[in-house]
Amino acid sequence: GAGVSQSPSNKVTEKGKDVELRCDPISGHTALYWYRQSLGQGLEFLIYFQGNSAPDKSGLPSDRFSAERTGGSVSTLTIQRTQQEDSAVYLCASSSPGNYNEQFFGPGTRLTVL
Amino acid sequence: GQQLNQSPQSMFIQEGEDVSMNCTSSSIFNTWLWYKQDPGEGPVLLIALYKAGELTSNGRLTAQFGITRKDSFLNISASIPSDVGIYFCAGHYSGAGSYQLTFGKGTKLSVIP
Repeated sequence: GAGVSQSPSNKVTEKGKDVELRCDPISGHTALYWYRQSLGQGLEFLIYFQGNSAPDKSGLPSDRFSAERTGGSVSTLTIQRTQQEDSAVYLCASSSPGNYNEQFFGPGTRLTVL
Repeated sequence: GQQLNQSPQSMFIQEGEDVSMNCTSSSIFNTWLWYKQDPGEGPVLLIALYKAGELTSNGRLTAQFGITRKDSFLNISASIPSDVGIYFCAGHYSGAGSYQLTFGKGTKLSVIP
């Protein structure tokens, strides 16, 4: 597609429920990143996928967070047993091969945990 | 981990004024980037800087990669209402073996017509 797309745009869930957030990167982009943005804060790195290599999970805040990327394209970020502190905007970005610095962001998913 | 200090946190300026914001880091970066985020949208890349001392312009925007590799600034000349938004600096250090960007906390710009 023309840009990075994410779904849903908004998600309200109850504490303790699991949620799945989806990211569809720009066609041809081999690198995909997930970031979290809390209110009034900058972006916090969560996880990075590059082609078929093992993902860099160094930013995941707890084992309740996981992500997968199927077929080198679409990615799903899963948060299990959601907590109120998980409320944030979750942003996905992608970059073209060899140009990982210039990351193009999707519009984000705003997650609210009640 | 690496920390980025971005200032000012917010600015209120009159339309037509010039704006300056900057970021400093506790350690060096190989790349500095500046993004703008509008409400409800993801950040959009404005300028990317790859060499210490590099000065790059994009229309009314000018950004510089500090010579120490620990700082960068962004200037906006002759501000207009559509410049309103949150501006983020971001840095990357290739020696860390990771491709994540480290972001500042943003400068919220308000332009008074």
